[in-house]
Amino acid sequence: NAGVTQTPKFRILKIGQSMTLQCTQDMNHNYMYWYRQDPGMGLKLIYYSVGAGITDKGEVPNGYNVSRSTTEDFPLRLELAAPSQTSVYFCASSKQGLTNTEAFFGQGTRLTVV
Amino acid sequence: DQQVKQNSPSLSVQEGRISILNCDYTNSMFDYFLWYKKYPAEGPTFLISISSIKDKNEDGRFTVFLNKSAKHLSLHIVPSQPGDSAVYFCAANTGTASKLTFGTGTRLQVTL
Repeated sequence: NAGVTQTPKFRILKIGQSMTLQCTQDMNHNYMYWYRQDPGMGLKLIYYSVGAGITDKGEVPNGYNVSRSTTEDFPLRLELAAPSQTSVYFCASSKQGLTNTEAFFGQGTRLTVV
Repeated sequence: DQQVKQNSPSLSVQEGRISILNCDYTNSMFDYFLWYKKYPAEGPTFLISISSIKDKNEDGRFTVFLNKSAKHLSLHIVPSQPGDSAVYFCAANTGTASKLTFGTGTRLQVTL
């Protein structure tokens, strides 16, 4: 049982480049989330989705885009990478909303923008 | 504006003793609280939660206490084990939101 899988694990981008962070889950969870964690900080929500075809902004959505064409996949797109986007990115999923169930997290993607 | 605060960035406890990790929040709308544990190079994993209608929830060695009037919760680990060494995040949610607000984490080290 793979759970939540993120690829890649590490990536170095140059300023202005674009990339997609992949996230897939095999638990048939409706809810999926993207968080970023900066050093010494808690996790900040970037975008989330409550089901296929539905996405919404979190606390820090600027510079990112998402799509949710299937239940399983929730890719995060960076169009014009900036040094401020250097961070560790975590994808998560949950069966229901987070009032009554916990989220399952992937292992993270460490992104450095130089 | 940090709505969930973990004021102790680190904590060191001897094996077998009690570990107490603290968390304060400012948003009175929060009504569901969770603790996550994170090992290096891994994603956070859920540990224990508590609803605002309770003041205590216990799961094995882990107990979470909630004091709503003080807007404070704590995680007790008894007895502490070396495998408990990790970063612990407190998180909170409101009844209508599908998103967690995380604290900055406390790094727990359990020494032999």
